[in-house]
Amino acid sequence: GAVVSQHPSRVICKSGTSVKIECRSLDFQATTMFWYRQFPKQSLMLMATSNEGSKATYEQGVEKDKFLINHASLTLSTLTVTSAHPEDSSFYICSGEDGTNQPQHFGDGTRLSIL
Amino acid sequence: SQKIEQNSEALNIQEGKTATLTCNYTNYSPAYLQWYRQDPGRGPVFLLLIRENEKEKRKERLKVTFDTTLKQSLFHITASQPADSATYLCALVTSSASKIIFGSGTRLSIRP
Repeated sequence: GAVVSQHPSRVICKSGTSVKIECRSLDFQATTMFWYRQFPKQSLMLMATSNEGSKATYEQGVEKDKFLINHASLTLSTLTVTSAHPEDSSFYICSGEDGTNQPQHFGDGTRLSIL
Repeated sequence: SQKIEQNSEALNIQEGKTATLTCNYTNYSPAYLQWYRQDPGRGPVFLLLIRENEKEKRKERLKVTFDTTLKQSLFHITASQPADSATYLCALVTSSASKIIFGSGTRLSIRP
């Protein structure tokens, strides 16, 4: 099946640091990629949707200047958490879809811990 | 307000029994509904999709039903095994948008 690789799997860093998370579709072209955040024992909450070559569409309440999303190619999207603070600590998950009405394929997530 | 609810946060059953998980939604018109499995520290893995005009879908030991009148989907695992222990998420996709809206999940534990 289709594979989405997310890197790194875990990040621990100091408050104020910017952190970049990569999401790659390995065997399909992801025309659309999605970024989610999941807090412990809660569901996945969509943060933003990005189409290759266009600006991301952010969900209500998600700061676009804090969570920078780049989707420069059909196989790579990045999420940069700028000037991260402890409240940004969470599990971030990306997914991709190839535009053929197939289910989204999810990465294995990035555990971000801000000290 | 719009809600998607999985009414059991956790479910514990004996190995070999059928596990039944429930997903209810309000004020949505889903085009289709999906079920995912999520293991700790991992991303969700797609299991089954059922469309609004379908009543039931099966895949091996899994069965999903969809009742648009009751606004409910049931997810069954027959002959459950300890390896089936995980969190199961239901998710709906509305006809007006391509984004997925997830329920909060049910943590299923199968005891030997």
